[in-house]
Amino acid sequence: QVQLQESGPGLVKPSQTLSLTCTVSGGSISSDNYFWSWIRQPAGKGLEWIGRIYKNGDTRYSPSLGDRVTMSLDTSKNKLSLRLTSVTAADTAIYYCSRSGDRYYFDYWGQGTLVTVSS
Amino acid sequence: EIVMTQSPATMSVSPGERAILSCRASQRINSYLAWYQQRPGQTPRLLIYGASTRASGVPARFSGGGSGTEFTLTISSLQSEDFAVYYCQHYFNWPLTFGGGTRVEIK
Repeated sequence: QVQLQESGPGLVKPSQTLSLTCTVSGGSISSDNYFWSWIRQPAGKGLEWIGRIYKNGDTRYSPSLGDRVTMSLDTSKNKLSLRLTSVTAADTAIYYCSRSGDRYYFDYWGQGTLVTVSS
Repeated sequence: EIVMTQSPATMSVSPGERAILSCRASQRINSYLAWYQQRPGQTPRLLIYGASTRASGVPARFSGGGSGTEFTLTISSLQSEDFAVYYCQHYFNWPLTFGGGTRVEIK
């Protein structure tokens, strides 16, 4: 059973960089044909896909976040990471990491971590 | 970007009744559509993919239909655990996008 667990600071100041990690257990992030995404959800609102990364480092990002987002992998630790620069209050949300196959629907999700952007 | 529009935003249904939720895509997405359930305080759970294929462990009372731009999720007989928010998501192209959700509440 694949499990994902997000971690990182719960509070980030405006204009700073949000950094989160997702630890994967019960499966390898280096497996063929599995892709790893970050998805966020502001309180009481809907879901927004942020981007995805494959085991070879290939990434796809949502254009809505422009060049503020970077995703990376640490295959030795079976972890993926998210960096979001120049954050504002609009980036306050629960951030989820999730797995998909090469048909990009999400079959495993982490529990999510709340990140608040505030001074 | 493909815009996914769900309707209604909220529906009130009595236990045991049927609920039909709608999802519309702003352009054709063939059958590249998934549905998720999110109970209060919980993580989204995959229900349906390929517009009509139930994910592992999903009860048969959930069924998905449609193709192209119009899709439905039908819950044939609502159980107490089905009162939740439901989201559709396309995976036809980039970026992946979700609908705004339909809240199914107890009448």
